[in-house]
Amino acid sequence: DTEVTQTPKHLVMGMTNKKSLKCEQHMGHRAMYWYKQKAKKPPELMFVYSYEKLSINESVPSRFSPECPNSSLLNLHLHALQPEDSALYLCASSQDRPGADTQYFGPGTRLTVL
Amino acid sequence: AQSVTQPDIHITVSEGASLELRCNYSYGATPYLFWYVQSPGQGLQLLLKYFSGDTLVQGIKGFEAEFKRSQSSFNLRKPSVHWSDAAEYFCAVGVYNFNKFYFGSGTKLNVKP
Repeated sequence: DTEVTQTPKHLVMGMTNKKSLKCEQHMGHRAMYWYKQKAKKPPELMFVYSYEKLSINESVPSRFSPECPNSSLLNLHLHALQPEDSALYLCASSQDRPGADTQYFGPGTRLTVL
Repeated sequence: AQSVTQPDIHITVSEGASLELRCNYSYGATPYLFWYVQSPGQGLQLLLKYFSGDTLVQGIKGFEAEFKRSQSSFNLRKPSVHWSDAAEYFCAVGVYNFNKFYFGSGTKLNVKP
């Protein structure tokens, strides 16, 4: 099973709301990732967790807050977002070596910020 | 700096015709190379990957890719395209030392009936 699940599929939120995106994998992978993808653009890396520790933060604004509660779960907490944050948010996981092992992607959460 | 270039933004081919999507990378050592496909509004699906060994790799859905070190290329090919292959294709380079993937800008494939 090479499935990464993400919830919700769609999310609409106002600029003052607080919401969370969730990602789950049961492949025993120890690296997990959040990407942001704008229309007609490639995915942009936001965060990398390796063995449940944040290893890369690509200078993402603090209104995005990642959390890795255990090796199977990855959350992205959202607060005070801007309309330009509207995008497809993709979660991925890989065996354990970021940058070397194959990344498996979830279907994404389509976020709209009003 | 590491980079991945996909020189073709859009490609249109007729159904049944052959396909080649180009990918060039810039990196000092042999990187880990991947091709992903993305249908509109969906996540990315791995087509194939190259880590080492045989430079011609086979993937899913009849795709193959060839690693050419001398040209720093990893082009994706398919001998006969099907209408369902219409999608966005991304080449990616994994750089272990930096714990990162670098994605190319993507090539959008249209298939004419």
